[in-house]
Amino acid sequence: RKEVEQDPGPFNVPEGATVAFNCTYSNSASQSFFWYRQDCRKEPKLLMSVYSSGNEDGRFTAQLNRASQYISLLIRDSKLSDSATYLCVAQDSSYKLIFGSGTRLLVRP
Amino acid sequence: SAVISQKPSRDICQRGTSLTIQCQVDSQVTMMFWYRQQPGQSLTLIATANQGSEATYESGFVIDKFPISRPNLTFSTLTVSNMSPEDSSIYLCSVLRQGTTGYTFGSGTRLTVV
Repeated sequence: RKEVEQDPGPFNVPEGATVAFNCTYSNSASQSFFWYRQDCRKEPKLLMSVYSSGNEDGRFTAQLNRASQYISLLIRDSKLSDSATYLCVAQDSSYKLIFGSGTRLLVRP
Repeated sequence: SAVISQKPSRDICQRGTSLTIQCQVDSQVTMMFWYRQQPGQSLTLIATANQGSEATYESGFVIDKFPISRPNLTFSTLTVSNMSPEDSSIYLCSVLRQGTTGYTFGSGTRLTVV
């Protein structure tokens, strides 16, 4: 079983749609969590950190449920420029990042 | 966030040769890591680069194949040794600066072994 699991997608949605990505992690000792965005042939870039209290950054909302070992990302009012692969990431106690396989999002006109 | 210069950005190499990838950061960082991203897959950690001492390798990766140096807090190299076509991949360095939570990635080195 992978340490961080995501639905690979692709999620194909129209502009303006709301889309939600889910992620589960197996290591209960994981300390911090992140969503990264990776465009084709580019390096991953931090989208947002994920907290138990939930956090929002514009159209993006992330949530962590430690009891269920579950992380989510909600994107509202999807834009064409949101098309990318979204990586769910857990950080362990040694500061190492464990990546999920990524969820691919395609936003169509 | 830290600014990372990773070189080369891409290379095509003959099997049996070695390639050294450099990662230079614009400021001192606490942690430096090397990742591999094989075609169509996510990132896999190769090792943690430790300043002034041997790197800490993940399961499946060994020093003879992937020697790593980190002589100071702003620079590290990863060498891919005795390359085979299976080593064709993107290699990325990543850094974490003390007091921050976000990791920054270099732009990657796209390696093709023929």
